[in-house]
Amino acid sequence: AQTVTQSQPEMSVQEAETVTLSCTYDTSENNYYLFWYKQPPSRQMILVIRQEAYKQQNATENRFSVNFQKAAKSFSLKISDSQLGDTAMYFCAFMKLYTGNQFYFGTGTSLTVIP
Amino acid sequence: EAGVTQFPSHSVIEKGQTVTLRCDPISGHDNLYWYRRVMGKEIKFLLHFVKESKQDESGMPNNRFLAERTGGTYSTLKVQPAELEDSGVYFCASSQGTYYGYTFGSGTRLTVV
Repeated sequence: AQTVTQSQPEMSVQEAETVTLSCTYDTSENNYYLFWYKQPPSRQMILVIRQEAYKQQNATENRFSVNFQKAAKSFSLKISDSQLGDTAMYFCAFMKLYTGNQFYFGTGTSLTVIP
Repeated sequence: EAGVTQFPSHSVIEKGQTVTLRCDPISGHDNLYWYRRVMGKEIKFLLHFVKESKQDESGMPNNRFLAERTGGTYSTLKVQPAELEDSGVYFCASSQGTYYGYTFGSGTRLTVV
């Protein structure tokens, strides 16, 4: 069974600062994807960033980057130059590579960017 | 391109009543998924449609939940009779492939009182 753990229920960061959201997971699979999704208040969940487990290079999307440590089963999200629009619930998620048809999500981290 | 549409956005019903949630996926997306987030807990998979067929319904909690997908287009999730523990946010998502291109709806917040 796959489990995803987000140990920070709530976080806050000053605008323009950097914040890191933690995520750990447990799986016996060797090939899988990891994701960070963002859900702004009352809006749909959108993909922030995706990482393939077979890639050693950490994924980066503009101000968002991940620190993927496969051996430690850790997948943290770093948001640089935080903006007010980054205020949202952030979910870490796992999907098997070859037989995947569903996400396994963590419990989420509520991030507030303070002006 | 229209996104994944879910309605109602909110529903408050009494225990024992029936509620039907609807999801309109992105046109052309064969895969449709339902997920649920109970307050403070993780988002959990309920089931997966490929076109009109149920590919995986391993996450459905019990037989009070019935999902259908008419003609491979929109999907409904009926809860009958609703119990207090069914409260939560129900998300729908659609995709063309199973590893990419997932688009989520905004969710339906269901409160059973």
